[in-house]
Amino acid sequence: DAGVIQSPRHEVTEMGQEVTLRCKPISGHDYLFWYRQTMMRGLELLIYFNNNVPIDDSGMPEDRFSAKMPNASFSTLKIQPSEPRDSAVYFCASSPQTGAGNTIYFGEGSWLTVV
Amino acid sequence: DAKTTQPPSMDCAEGRAANLPCNHSTISGNEYVYWYRQIHSQGPQYIIHGLKNNETNEMASLIITEDRKSSTLILPHATLRDTAVYYCIVKFNYGQNFVFGPGTRLSVLP
Repeated sequence: DAGVIQSPRHEVTEMGQEVTLRCKPISGHDYLFWYRQTMMRGLELLIYFNNNVPIDDSGMPEDRFSAKMPNASFSTLKIQPSEPRDSAVYFCASSPQTGAGNTIYFGEGSWLTVV
Repeated sequence: DAKTTQPPSMDCAEGRAANLPCNHSTISGNEYVYWYRQIHSQGPQYIIHGLKNNETNEMASLIITEDRKSSTLILPHATLRDTAVYYCIVKFNYGQNFVFGPGTRLSVLP
């Protein structure tokens, strides 16, 4: 079975440019998460969706970040304008409907470098 | 904030059992203990989870103390490919916020 698919795997962009990261969750999973990982802050939850609806975006750093989930098989995380401090690995993850002992499954990440 | 405490790093000889401890003294009755690991440059990978009883799967065993205030992840025969950061997480069975702490960096040595 295909896991969580993210694109691009690597992106280098200049400060001020718009960055769009994409994610395809595992088919049938109702929850989708966006995490960010840096050396300084570790793995942080940015936002998560349930049935395409954003549930908790309290981790989104600021207005430059936005996330959408137009349908059950696709989500985007957009940074506009990008800044060097946004350089990080961005992980998408998905999970089936909550239940006893549910788990989440991560993609391989999108490595973003803003210069 | 993470509700768990783990040693920052551990070493283990190849072929030996790796025992990774986790303290979760404030765990509540409905919270599960999860273990994930992250091999360099990859996304975190689910290993095992449990509520009260000890659990075993093809990857590892999870031993939870009777008072549930701590647990140990056991990799019975560590290999070099088990070198990774291991995260212990406690979470309710409802809700979806997996909070990752700094984890334990396990180095399996030849």
